[in-house]
Amino acid sequence: SQTIHQWPATLVQPVGSPLSLECTVEGTSNPNLYWYRQAAGRGLQLLFYSVGIGQISSEVPQNLSASRPQDRQFILSSKKLLLSDSGFYLCAWSVRASGRNYYEQYFGPGTRLTVT
Amino acid sequence: AQSVAQPEDQVNVAEGNPLTVKCTYSVSGNPYLFWYVQYPNRGLQFLLKYITGDNLVKGSYGFEAEFNKSQTSFHLKKPSALVSDSALYFCAVRLPNSGNTPLVFGKGTRLSVIA
Repeated sequence: SQTIHQWPATLVQPVGSPLSLECTVEGTSNPNLYWYRQAAGRGLQLLFYSVGIGQISSEVPQNLSASRPQDRQFILSSKKLLLSDSGFYLCAWSVRASGRNYYEQYFGPGTRLTVT
Repeated sequence: AQSVAQPEDQVNVAEGNPLTVKCTYSVSGNPYLFWYVQYPNRGLQFLLKYITGDNLVKGSYGFEAEFNKSQTSFHLKKPSALVSDSALYFCAVRLPNSGNTPLVFGKGTRLSVIA
């Protein structure tokens, strides 16, 4: 079965410090990968998605970046964090349902980032 | 462009009563529709989906949803609410044959079940 891991679970970082959040998926190959941010327990904001190694689509211009160095690894980074970067970061993956013409999407447990 | 709306920010229901969380969509074509649930400080969990076929879809934890094409709705329902159903619920949509494009999510509805 497929599993998605995110770490760390919680993170407190000062303003101006760098950031690296990692997400890995097990039990599947060539997944689509996504980074979302959720502020104050409300709606989801899609930040980046990737359909393959080295292929990154950015949905929101900001001081964050994403990379996909391996098929099942997705990394969210920042060189200098802002207070506004605080939030709950969710990684997700999707693959085409077996024999079907649609994709099923699943989420990781999330990382709570607090920028102080 | 495809979109999905959850018109209620908050839904309150007494334990044991039926619950409904509303979702309407706007797409050109026949959509694929999904419901997810999020408990505090957790990732989203898949509840159910409508792809094709029977308009009434049954999912996890006793939830069901009815696809209504004429009203472009996909409301989430449960006959008897539990306190443990209190959570944030998201509706999402994707067009068939839209390939790798991400799901479009609603803004979420917070369900509070009161004992």
